[in-house]
Amino acid sequence: EAGVVQSPRYKIIEKKQPVAFWCNPISGHNTLYWYLQNLGQGPELLIRYENEEAVDDSQLPKDRFSAERLKGVDSTLKIQPAELGDSAVYLCASSLDSTSGTQMNEQFFGPGTRLTVL
Amino acid sequence: AQSVTQLGSHVSVSEGALVLLRCNYSSSVPPYLFWYVQYPNQGLQLLLKYTTGATLVKGINGFEAEFKKSETSFHLTKPSAHMSDAAEYFCAVSVEKTSYDKVIFGPGTSLSVIP
Repeated sequence: EAGVVQSPRYKIIEKKQPVAFWCNPISGHNTLYWYLQNLGQGPELLIRYENEEAVDDSQLPKDRFSAERLKGVDSTLKIQPAELGDSAVYLCASSLDSTSGTQMNEQFFGPGTRLTVL
Repeated sequence: AQSVTQLGSHVSVSEGALVLLRCNYSSSVPPYLFWYVQYPNQGLQLLLKYTTGATLVKGINGFEAEFKKSETSFHLTKPSAHMSDAAEYFCAVSVEKTSYDKVIFGPGTSLSVIP
């Protein structure tokens, strides 16, 4: 079974340019997460989707970041315009339905997209 | 609010030696606790997790961790380090047991294994 797929793996852009990252979760996983991982730090949640609904986007900088998951499967995270401080790894993860009461569902992570803003 | 601290951003051990990676958490309610491993240029992989029940948790690749409520700790150990254990290790906590799986990650510990 394929894991979480992300593309591109690496992206280098100049500041003020737009950039987009794509994620395809594991088949059957309803919950999708986007994380930001700065160098030497742990991942920080940007946004979480339950199917096509964004249920937690409190940490998403909405002035320049946007995300969508139109059909409740794959997702796109966009930055426009990019700033130097956006250089980081952007991780996507997925899990089974996380609204199933008290059950804790394991998150499966993709390899990430490493963004460098020059 | 819950948080996670990991003592030591870099740990070096000799091959065959004991691995001990420290994790302390803060939470006002009983937490769920996790250890993840991240190999270079890869995503995170779950090593083990504590939810309820037995406080000594065994994971993959010979790792285990013990939940100590009195010390608010969840240290990760492995009796004998292998070269393939060299990676970044993240401790994480979650207290959202009823709504969704919100996980807070620590800053990570980079493990080096010396031949």
